[in-house]
Amino acid sequence: EDQVTQSPEALRLQEGESSSLNCSYTVSGLRGLFWYRQDPGKGPEFLFTLYSAGEEKEKERLKATLTKKESFLHITAPKPEDSATYLCAVQALLNAGNMLTFGGGTRLMVKP
Amino acid sequence: DSGVTQTPKHLITATGQRVTLRCSPRSGDLSVYWYQQSLDQGLQFLIQYYNGEERAKGNILERFSAQQFPDLHSELNLSSLELGDSALYFCASSVRPGLTTKNTGELFFGEGSRLTVL
Repeated sequence: EDQVTQSPEALRLQEGESSSLNCSYTVSGLRGLFWYRQDPGKGPEFLFTLYSAGEEKEKERLKATLTKKESFLHITAPKPEDSATYLCAVQALLNAGNMLTFGGGTRLMVKP
Repeated sequence: DSGVTQTPKHLITATGQRVTLRCSPRSGDLSVYWYQQSLDQGLQFLIQYYNGEERAKGNILERFSAQQFPDLHSELNLSSLELGDSALYFCASSVRPGLTTKNTGELFFGEGSRLTVL
């Protein structure tokens, strides 16, 4: 069974204080690993797809990296508007369709 | 705005009742997904349709059913409701039915339907 574990569950940062969020996964062959951002009362919003170990993707203050067992979402000099829940998800090679297995998320709070 | 429309936004009902949640995907998207998000279970995949046909099924309860209509909108029917069915139900859509290295596999999520069962 595919599993995704995210840590920490919650993270409080001061504005400008860089940090990383962790996503550990077990999957029977990885087709893709995804990062989504979810604001309160909203649906998840796509950030990145990573396909293979060693791959990196960047968007503004966010950088996602991937190894064979985990992914990191690095947040550089965060701003209050980066406050949200960040969700990691995997899709297995054997999965039919486009089924994603999500982790529990990391709730990020950035204080000014 | 993702372009995915879900109705109703909020729904309060009693145990044993039946409800229908509706989803209109983004214009041009052929694939529709239903996810359930609860505090203790996180975001759980229920079912996927592609161009009217079931494509993938998750841990969807037998009391739940879904369909995608010719105009591509989808409905999720929840029956014999229990207290534990209280959750946010999200619909998402995508152009293609699956992820390849030539696309990001991005799903566009609606804002969800919050179901409260009393």
